[in-house]
Amino acid sequence: QKEVEQNSGPLSVPEGAIASLNCTYSDRGSQSFFWYRQYSGKSPELIMSIYSNGDKEDGRFTAQLNKASQYVSLLIRDSQPSDSATYLCAVNGPGGSYIPTFGRGTSLIVHP
Amino acid sequence: EAQVTQNPRYLITVTGKKLTVTCSQNMNHEYMSWYRQDPGLGLRQIYYSMNVEVTDKGDVPEGYKVSRKEKRNFPLILESPSPNQTSLYFCASTSPGSGYEQYFGPGTRLTVT
Repeated sequence: QKEVEQNSGPLSVPEGAIASLNCTYSDRGSQSFFWYRQYSGKSPELIMSIYSNGDKEDGRFTAQLNKASQYVSLLIRDSQPSDSATYLCAVNGPGGSYIPTFGRGTSLIVHP
Repeated sequence: EAQVTQNPRYLITVTGKKLTVTCSQNMNHEYMSWYRQDPGLGLRQIYYSMNVEVTDKGDVPEGYKVSRKEKRNFPLILESPSPNQTSLYFCASTSPGSGYEQYFGPGTRLTVT
């Protein structure tokens, strides 16, 4: 059984700070990694995808992947109250598997 | 506009009354999935389909049926709904060409009394 673990939070940070969200996964053969943002009652939307070790930056968001440690993280710089949401980590298996395993999500609260 | 649509968006029904939630995507994606989301339990996959006439069970398939007669449509059927199926349901689609990013529908909030 593939597992994706996230701290449920809530993670509370002040406006303008860096928010750091973490995710670990059990399947060492996993190849595709995703971060989704979900506002309450809404559908998840993709924030970042990462496929190789290292950092990937997109605006205020940076995804970091360490396959040796089976660890993926999301950094949000200059956090804004509008970033307050639940962040879901999703991991696809080996062989181009399209079936993701989702973590339960981390709730982020950015307070003014 | 590339999108996944679901209908209805909200539904209140009674125990045992068969219902269908429709899902349609306009991106020619091969793969489609149904999830339910409950507080504290995250997204759990109900059924998925790799292509027309090819479906398989996810993690929580009991009480649900699906069909994939056309590539764009993937309806979810509850033949005899029960209160424990009260949940928020999402349909999603993806393809290798999209890097396996999941495109989600807007969700259907179902209440079974």
